[in-house]
Amino acid sequence: AQKVTQAQTEISVVEKEDVTLDCVYETRDTTYYLFWYKQPPSGELVFLIRRNSFDEQNEISGRYSWNFQKSTSSFNFTITASQVVDSAVYFCALIGNNAGNMLTFGGGTRLMVKP
Amino acid sequence: SAVISQKPSRDICQRGTSLTIQCQVDSQVTMMFWYRQQPGQSLTLIATANQGSEATYESGFVIDKFPISRPNLTFSTLTVSNMSPEDSSIYLCSVEVLLPEGVTQYFGPGTRLTVL
Repeated sequence: AQKVTQAQTEISVVEKEDVTLDCVYETRDTTYYLFWYKQPPSGELVFLIRRNSFDEQNEISGRYSWNFQKSTSSFNFTITASQVVDSAVYFCALIGNNAGNMLTFGGGTRLMVKP
Repeated sequence: SAVISQKPSRDICQRGTSLTIQCQVDSQVTMMFWYRQQPGQSLTLIATANQGSEATYESGFVIDKFPISRPNLTFSTLTVSNMSPEDSSIYLCSVEVLLPEGVTQYFGPGTRLTVL
């Protein structure tokens, strides 16, 4: 069985603060993919990143960075110098190689960035 | 990536009626998925729709309530039948895209359904 846990249901920061969104996953598959999606108030789900289980390199894209650690089954997401436009619900998700391409979502973290 | 559109973007319906949601993708894809997101909740997979075969439903979802069509590799519909207020949700379709670096699912903009 697959499981994704986002322990932080809601985070509130002031603009320009750095913020880290936690994601912990469980899977028995040796090959899997991890994802982060952003859901702004308009409702669409925006793809942010995919990470393969065999690639533990951290990734940076502008103000976004991701820290993948297999040893702790975590895939955390950091926003540097947060902006009001970052306010959204962020979902971490997992596809295991033997899970029939089924995407398992975490419960989501609502990020509110105040001016 | 893939560009996905959904119609309608939102609707308000009366209980007991049915609504068909359309999902169109700009390229041919084998696997399409339908998700439901109830207010304040995460996404739950309703079914997987592959072209040329019957949709595969997840536990708790049945074909009589959520019939799905997949007539070709770029289009699918989901019908929410005999609606009740509990069906008020965002319904999202997604497609699986295979890239050299791995598999990714892209999502449509969603259909926001309110049932009175």
